[in-house]
Amino acid sequence: DTGVSQDPRHKITKRGQNVTFRCDPISEHNRLYWYRQTLGQGPEFLTYFQNEAQLEKSRLLSDRFSAERPKGSFSTLEIQRTEQGDSAMYLCASSLTGANTGELFFGEGSRLTVL
Amino acid sequence: TQLLEQSPQFLSIQEGENLTVYCNSSSVFSSLQWYRQEPGEGPVLLVTVVTGGEVKKLKRLTFQFGDARKDSSLHITAAQPGDTGLYLCAGRPSTYKYIFGTGTRLKVLA
Repeated sequence: DTGVSQDPRHKITKRGQNVTFRCDPISEHNRLYWYRQTLGQGPEFLTYFQNEAQLEKSRLLSDRFSAERPKGSFSTLEIQRTEQGDSAMYLCASSLTGANTGELFFGEGSRLTVL
Repeated sequence: TQLLEQSPQFLSIQEGENLTVYCNSSSVFSSLQWYRQEPGEGPVLLVTVVTGGEVKKLKRLTFQFGDARKDSSLHITAAQPGDTGLYLCAGRPSTYKYIFGTGTRLKVLA
């Protein structure tokens, strides 16, 4: 399968614990995005990478959130000291600069439940 | 803050009916996309519109981009149960940024 893959698909954790999500984009895609989505709502932008550079981070993202994309390949999103309000689906998407449609290709998401 | 408001938020209709979903903003976008998302999956692109006033058709779906490039609509003719899902518009205020709408959850009853 050559699509965007995310791991884990589901994570249940206790408040105060740290969690890390991984995203493997489509191999030739240089752009990578993280979004957060709550049930029935549209995805909310978190951060964006072009290759290994993090070019934008939403002001909605507190200091407890950090994302990396070493070597411009896979990316990780870490949430420290989780809170119940962090419970959501975390979506990763990738795209290719210059592609005609500008299509975002999404993974299936990582669902986080904070107890 | 650039917001994309979609209406209606929820829609439940009978198979064969027509419907229109609206996506509105006060901001101008270089292009606008429509995605459909099914439970447990990520959104999948349906269409991209770029030019103000542009109309695109995808089988029973018709997409229109407003003349001022601030709004868009999605019209479905003769809806089918397979059209059920969460419909999302996404505006591009810059070459790389995508802002998603609030979403319209459609349920088509057989």
